[in-house]
Amino acid sequence: GAVVSQHPSRVICKSGTSVKIECRSLDFQATTMFWYRQFPKKSLMLMATSNEGSKATYEQGVEKDKFLINHASLTLSTLTVTSAHPEDSSFYICSARDPGGQETQYFGPGTRLLVL
Amino acid sequence: QKEVEQDPGPLSVPEGAIVSLNCTYSNSAFQYFMWYRQYSRKGPELLMYTYSSGNKEDGRFTAQVDKSSKYISLFIRDSQPSDSATYLCAMSEQNDMRFGAGTRLTVKP
Repeated sequence: GAVVSQHPSRVICKSGTSVKIECRSLDFQATTMFWYRQFPKKSLMLMATSNEGSKATYEQGVEKDKFLINHASLTLSTLTVTSAHPEDSSFYICSARDPGGQETQYFGPGTRLLVL
Repeated sequence: QKEVEQDPGPLSVPEGAIVSLNCTYSNSAFQYFMWYRQYSRKGPELLMYTYSSGNKEDGRFTAQVDKSSKYISLFIRDSQPSDSATYLCAMSEQNDMRFGAGTRLTVKP
């Protein structure tokens, strides 16, 4: 299957600072990537769909000015949590559509964010 | 009613048992069905991918889809402690994917 990486795997930051999370497709080009948030023992919550070369599409209730998404190349999408607060602490996971055309997604290993 | 229903468990079985995990759904337009395995603090890993109704087998894993009943299953034979994880069902229609809540499975040695 396709490989998706994320960096960093864990980050601790102070309240009020911004944090950038990178999502890369390692062996394929991804025109579409997805950003999810997952709370402990809960399922994935889609935050936004990231499209290469255009604006991201955000799900209802997700603040686009709070969670900035940039998909500047076919292998990289970034999520920036701006002015982070403790309630933003969560597990953030990105995914990319299967490059072979199947209707499935391959996930990155996730980034655990802790805001103090 | 949620679009995808999945019993969150937890489910605990002895090593060697046959495990049955299930999801039901309401949208008859779903055509593609997946099972993901997620270990603690890791991203989901694609286990099985099926299109429309039928069975698919891969080693100890068998995925079944019954579109008439809107019901999908994942069977794990000869379960191992390393199978302990959360299993998420997912389904898609025109690249719009929906996930179940995930079932936490523990296989005890």
